[in-house]
Amino acid sequence: EAGVTQFPSHSVIEKGQTVTLRCDPISGHDNLYWYRRVMGKEIKFLLHFVKESKQDESGMPNNRFLAERTGGTYSTLKVQPAELEDSGVYFCASSQVGEQFFGPGTRLTVL
Amino acid sequence: AQKVTQAQTEISVVEKEDVTLDCVYETRDTTYYLFWYKQPPSGELVFLIRRNSFDEQNEISGRYSWNFQKSTSSFNFTITASQVVDSAVYFCALVRVDNFNKFYFGSGTKLNVKP
Repeated sequence: EAGVTQFPSHSVIEKGQTVTLRCDPISGHDNLYWYRRVMGKEIKFLLHFVKESKQDESGMPNNRFLAERTGGTYSTLKVQPAELEDSGVYFCASSQVGEQFFGPGTRLTVL
Repeated sequence: AQKVTQAQTEISVVEKEDVTLDCVYETRDTTYYLFWYKQPPSGELVFLIRRNSFDEQNEISGRYSWNFQKSTSSFNFTITASQVVDSAVYFCALVRVDNFNKFYFGSGTKLNVKP
C-alpha cells in the first residue's frame, strides 16, 4: 500500500511568488494534517482536515497560507505571496484512527 | 500549553556506542500520549513508539529502549550498540488525549553515528 506522498520534494522560489504544495494521503484516510518545520526548529502543526472540512486550522501562520482538500482526497497548501520566513520543510500526514503516517515532506526555499 | 524540549541539537557517536536522546515535556493534562519518530535522510517521519501517560513501564525493542519518568516529565530514548543506519533526526512529540489530532513536536536531535 502506498504511503503518504508529497509533491514536489523541493521547491525554490523567489520572495513574492506563489507556490502550491500537494499531499496525497493514504487511500481511505479521512484525516489529513499539515505541519511545518522551519530553520531546524520544532515541527509545528498547521491544520487538520476531516475529509474535505477544516477541523482545526489554529496553526496556520497567516492569511498568505491557503489549504484545500478537494473532495476529501488530496490536499494542497498554497503560499501566496511567499516570504523569506516561509522557508522550511512542510510535512503532510494522514490517519484513519490513531497513528498519523507522515510523508517525506516538501522542502521550500524562498530566496 | 503543551511544549516538548529536545535540548540536544546534534550528537555524534562512534558505531557500537550507546546513546541517549533526551526529551522533556510540559503539559497540564493528566492524560496524554508521547511519541518518538525517526527521520532518516529520505525525509519521511517513521513512527517508533507511542506511550500512554498511565503506563510508566520502560519499553525495550531490540536495540531501542525508552525510559518514561512522569515525575520528571521526561521520555528518553536510548539506542544500544548504535549502528550507522541509526543516523537520523529523532523527534519526540506529545499528543493530548482530548485532541489526538494535534501533535506537539520537539525540535529534533540529529544523531550522527560514525563507522
